[in-house]
Amino acid sequence: ETGVTQTPRHLVMGMTNKKSLKCEQHLGHNAMYWYKQSAKKPLELMFVYNFKEQTENNSVPSRFSPECPNSSHLFLHLHTLQPEDSALYLCASSPTGTGGDTIYFGEGSWLTVV
Amino acid sequence: GQNIDQPTEMTATEGAIVQINCTYQTSGFNGLFWYQQHAGEAPTFLSYNVLDGLEEKGRFSSFLSRSKGYSYLLLKELQMKDSASYLCAVRDPRGYSTLTFGKGTMLLVSP
Repeated sequence: ETGVTQTPRHLVMGMTNKKSLKCEQHLGHNAMYWYKQSAKKPLELMFVYNFKEQTENNSVPSRFSPECPNSSHLFLHLHTLQPEDSALYLCASSPTGTGGDTIYFGEGSWLTVV
Repeated sequence: GQNIDQPTEMTATEGAIVQINCTYQTSGFNGLFWYQQHAGEAPTFLSYNVLDGLEEKGRFSSFLSRSKGYSYLLLKELQMKDSASYLCAVRDPRGYSTLTFGKGTMLLVSP
């Protein structure tokens, strides 16, 4: 139990579907992140939210749409994805979003696009 | 930009010592992290270095040389449960908390 919970753990979706990934952190942190982990590639930062405001979008295609309604919850809305988007999507949180933080990861949501 | 290199795979024997190296080229430096990730699980924080030298935490130690852009993670008294991927990451030099990761080193510990 890392304090960062992601649902669903596994998701299979068609290219025309709309689905969402959910993340909830129970650590009282104010920064939340989405990372993508593909086979044989480094973890890639997608989005950062500090105090519910998006502070970084790492050139992510618009078919990925994040939402942060409060400091404890983060969503990743998925629409018209491609098979190459199949990956492990990791949510993370940290206390403040500034230097000095340690980032804590959830166990990830395995996404398969068919 | 930031570039981080670490070996893809390593093997070692139970009870032995293994050193996993990481080299980085960054436009600035604001700290280096090591995470452990077992298959299908969350990456978990192992260590953090921001100053040169060795940080020891039980069986795990991490070393940093900022002038050489080099770090290593040292694992002693290896156990089977240490079989995992070890991720080297550097913090954003602008002072933010975001991390840039290497591809990870898959360590296989055999009996």
